[in-house]
Amino acid sequence: DTEVTQTPKHLVMGMTNKKSLKCEQHMGHRAMYWYKQKAKKPPELMFVYSYEKLSINESVPSRFSPECPNSSLLNLHLHALQPEDSALYLCASSQEVASGGGRYFGPGTRLLVL
Amino acid sequence: AQSVTQLGSHVSVSEGALVLLRCNYSSSVPPYLFWYVQYPNQGLQLLLKYTSAATLVKGINGFEAEFKKSETSFHLTKPSAHMSDAAEYFCAVSRIIFGKGTRLHILP
Repeated sequence: DTEVTQTPKHLVMGMTNKKSLKCEQHMGHRAMYWYKQKAKKPPELMFVYSYEKLSINESVPSRFSPECPNSSLLNLHLHALQPEDSALYLCASSQEVASGGGRYFGPGTRLLVL
Repeated sequence: AQSVTQLGSHVSVSEGALVLLRCNYSSSVPPYLFWYVQYPNQGLQLLLKYTSAATLVKGINGFEAEFKKSETSFHLTKPSAHMSDAAEYFCAVSRIIFGKGTRLHILP
């Protein structure tokens, strides 16, 4: 199984809603990532988890809250988002943070904030 | 600091023609280099990677890239373009610093 899965595929939410994005991998990878991608732009790193601990937070606003319940799962909790947060949110995993093996990306969740 | 520069935000080639997507990197240490492809409304897929073994790297879908330290380049090539190659291509270095991407258009 070389797949990273993400749910939901699409999400529409109001600025007062609370929602969560989910990511799962069963490749035994110990590093997992959240990226944000705006249209026609490269992905921007948001968070890095290594061995289920948050190792990098790229100055992301607190309205985004990551969680890694176990080595296979990664969540991104959303609260009080702004319309400018509308984007494709990508999850990725790799064997280790420093591995040269590249990241495996999920298909993404396309988020629209109204 | 590390960075990548992709030359050309849009590249158009005819079906069956050579594909050449350019990537130059900057790194003070031997880099890991990657090419990713993103089809419309999808996530990124790893095409190939350079990790200091062979300088000519073969990837999926007939793509390959050559690491040239003297030119600090890692250009992506494919001998014969197919319509299904139309996508956005990203070059990336080490801790996944992405270039701005190159949109590949295939002309019939």
